[in-house]
Amino acid sequence: DIQMTQSPSSLSASVGDRVTITCRASQSISSYLNWYQQKPGKAPKLLIYAASSLQSGVPSRFSGSGSGTDFTLTISSLQPEDFATYYCQQSYSTPPYFGPGTKVDIK
Amino acid sequence: QVTLRESGPALVKPTQTLTLTCTFSGFSLSTSGMCVSWIRQPPGKALEWLALIDWDDDKYYSTSLKTRLTISKDTSKNQVVLTMTNMDPVDTATYYCARMVGPKDAFDIWGQGTMVTVSS
Repeated sequence: DIQMTQSPSSLSASVGDRVTITCRASQSISSYLNWYQQKPGKAPKLLIYAASSLQSGVPSRFSGSGSGTDFTLTISSLQPEDFATYYCQQSYSTPPYFGPGTKVDIK
Repeated sequence: QVTLRESGPALVKPTQTLTLTCTFSGFSLSTSGMCVSWIRQPPGKALEWLALIDWDDDKYYSTSLKTRLTISKDTSKNQVVLTMTNMDPVDTATYYCARMVGPKDAFDIWGQGTMVTVSS
């Protein structure tokens, strides 16, 4: 099974900050890496698929990069509605495990 | 419009079997590449993938839970059913179903989730 890790586990940031979250796979997953945003009490929402493709309707301040084992999610200018928990997930092989999440809260 | 909705008991007793149903609309699970997964989230914890069924009726399970899980589909009813045996309080979680349009694709549409509490 391919295991996923994320760093940091949490971060505090201010509105307007540039935020970067890292995800690492235990073996190469090419570009089969997806990012989700989850707000309290809500289902996760797909932000980025295939490492760098923006899901329809997602603001352009979100971007993804990476391939192989190392990936990043960047929020270029944090907005109030972006305070949430972010998960990466590999879809290269089953089981398609998620990372442990990164909680972004207000500084 | 694609939607998924989970249904099932809100409370189950330890050792009982949980049966959850995902009813979906806006797509067909007989379409080549289409998949539906179950994912759960204990309160305050991370997402945990459980099981997947694809258009060809292939089934995949979490390594740690595979002895307790069974996933099935009823294409005519647009439903996917998950059963989990021998429920324990640690299985208390919100259970989600989600769609993948291809076996290597992301979970693009999610249900709202259903909370299941395991308690005597």
